[in-house]
Amino acid sequence: GDSVTQMEGPVTLSEEAFLTINCTYTATGYPSLFWYVQYPGEGLQLLLKATKADDKGSNKGFEATYRKETTSFHLEKGSVQVSDSAVYFCALGSGGSYIPTFGRGTSLIVHP
Amino acid sequence: DTAVSQTPKYLVTQMGNDKSIKCEQNLGHDTMYWYKQDSKKFLKIMFSYNNKELIINETVPNRFSPKSPDKAHLNLHINSLELGDSAVYFCASSQDDGGGTEAFFGQGTRLTVV
Repeated sequence: GDSVTQMEGPVTLSEEAFLTINCTYTATGYPSLFWYVQYPGEGLQLLLKATKADDKGSNKGFEATYRKETTSFHLEKGSVQVSDSAVYFCALGSGGSYIPTFGRGTSLIVHP
Repeated sequence: DTAVSQTPKYLVTQMGNDKSIKCEQNLGHDTMYWYKQDSKKFLKIMFSYNNKELIINETVPNRFSPKSPDKAHLNLHINSLELGDSAVYFCASSQDDGGGTEAFFGQGTRLTVV
């Protein structure tokens, strides 16, 4: 079945550091890929998405590129802020099932 | 307007009680979901439901039951609450187009069983 694997956290960084959160997936067919963010005390909200190979999703300075050859969708940001502290979830949506498949989440803590 | 709203936001109750969590979406989506999030932030799908079928995660105890009075609502009813049911429960919705579109989440209901 479909699955998403993302790096374990917490990831702890200083403000303005470079961020990478790794995500790899297993799926049949050609899934859409997503990154969601969950701020403390809130629900998940879509951060960015990519629907086909080599697409790059971007939002709020975050980027991720759909790499079919490595089945990856790593999240990056060039300079993190304290306000980016949250839990980040990689997810996929597959044509075989309309139920989104989520990774385990990676907590990001950014210190001033 | 809130896209996906669930109530209550907090629920504290005693073991053995029966409780319900309500969820409404005003996005016109075909599909709604319930997820359980544990203390380590892991999201577990409990149910997905659209106007065609209900899919139940077989690991969910039958004390949990979804109830959908119409396409815009999917409520979660829990019988005989146990300590291990304490978690944050999220309702979500999406358009049923084969999984390629994003899911919209409610703010969550933090359930504490004492």
